Amino acid sequence: GQQVMQIPQYQHVQEGEDFTTYCNSSTTLSNIQWYKQRPGGHPVFLIQLVKSGEVKKQKRLTFQFGEAKKNSSLHITATQTTDVGTYFCAVHHTGTASKLTFGTGTRLQVTL
Amino acid sequence: DADVTQTPRNRITKTGKRIMLECSQTKGHDRMYWYRQDPGLGLRLIYYSFDVKDINKGEISDGYSVSRQAQAKFSLSLESAIPNQTALYFCATSDMGTGPYNEQFFGPGTRLTVL
Repeated sequence: GQQVMQIPQYQHVQEGEDFTTYCNSSTTLSNIQWYKQRPGGHPVFLIQLVKSGEVKKQKRLTFQFGEAKKNSSLHITATQTTDVGTYFCAVHHTGTASKLTFGTGTRLQVTL
Repeated sequence: DADVTQTPRNRITKTGKRIMLECSQTKGHDRMYWYRQDPGLGLRLIYYSFDVKDINKGEISDGYSVSRQAQAKFSLSLESAIPNQTALYFCATSDMGTGPYNEQFFGPGTRLTVL
């Protein structure tokens, strides 16, 4: 089946440090979505990228979609303890608009 | 999301038992999904439905069945539970909207343990 690789699997940072997670596909993507799951919670939609090379920002979060539409990144500037959780990318592969394939997630731990 | 509810929230059952997980939504969405989450494996799609008459298998449908009783209700059944079905199960919904790539809204999850 179609696979989406997400790295790293886990990252531990001190508050104030930056954090980046990467999502990679071997096939062209129609779009990419990012979700956040707090510990003990459920995934919550953050953003969607559709256009090649697209960059979107939400406060300290910056999302990028690769030029070839095969990869994406989420960058958090100056992490806070409220950023703790697991970040998932989710993709629609070209021609499969009906369903999402989720990456394996990156778990972020932030300590003071 | 309070608009998507799942029952039960926790369930412990024994191997071989039949179990049903229920999902209800008040968002008025046509599309509903069932996922399971295992540590390190992300969310994997079990079944999805685009309307009451439409049921589709996801990537890991073996050992599961579903029923879309109404637009607002989508149930997942394990006919004969086995221990490797121990996982966290999420229901999700999405709107058809103006395009195919709409965000999904997740329920709070059901933690299932099969002994």
